[in-house]
Amino acid sequence: GAVVSQHPSWVICKSGTSVKIECRSLDFQATTMFWYRQFPKQSLMLMATSNEGSKATYEQGVEKDKFLINHASLTLSTLTVTSAHPEDSSFYICSAWLSSQETQYFGPGTRLLVL
Amino acid sequence: AQSVSQHNHHVILSEAASLELGCNYSYGGTVNLFWYVQYPGQHLQLLLKYFSGDPLVKGIKGFEAEFIKSKFSFNLRKPSVQWSDTAEYFCAVNAGGAQKLVFGQGTRLTINP
Repeated sequence: GAVVSQHPSWVICKSGTSVKIECRSLDFQATTMFWYRQFPKQSLMLMATSNEGSKATYEQGVEKDKFLINHASLTLSTLTVTSAHPEDSSFYICSAWLSSQETQYFGPGTRLLVL
Repeated sequence: AQSVSQHNHHVILSEAASLELGCNYSYGGTVNLFWYVQYPGQHLQLLLKYFSGDPLVKGIKGFEAEFIKSKFSFNLRKPSVQWSDTAEYFCAVNAGGAQKLVFGQGTRLTINP
């Protein structure tokens, strides 16, 4: 149980284009999901908290207009990187909050390369 | 603000050696504590967690951790490591009741066969 998927697992795009990443909780409902960014050999940096049916809460320094988050259902949150630039290349990881266990479960991550 | 410190950046051990990875946090109130593991090329998996009760918690794959409140620590231990334990280990904390996690910097564990 508590499986979280992400799609795509990797994506290459041209600079200036937008990329959408999906995060799904497969066997549980999650009113809250989280989006992280992980740089090579570093820890996870929380970007934003995605709340079902309401606006996401962004961490300090994260541009909300650049990283659009939509949490349209209890099993799906999406992160759209708008007008991507090479510096946005990174590993993006989502997690979903399983309230009955008070625990975050993580997706496999999406590797984004912006050329 | 909460913070989590993992003092060991990279630990190298031989198989069958005992393991202890340090984790200290700074927060004065009630906390929930977690250890996650990230095997090469895989997603973060929950190893174990502590909310309350017995401060010695057992997790998957033979791992355990001890919560010492007076030391603000939650160290991860395993009596005998295997090559397959090679991975990145993350300690994380959330203030009791909160959903947001604060992660430590991670410890890379390399087990030599």
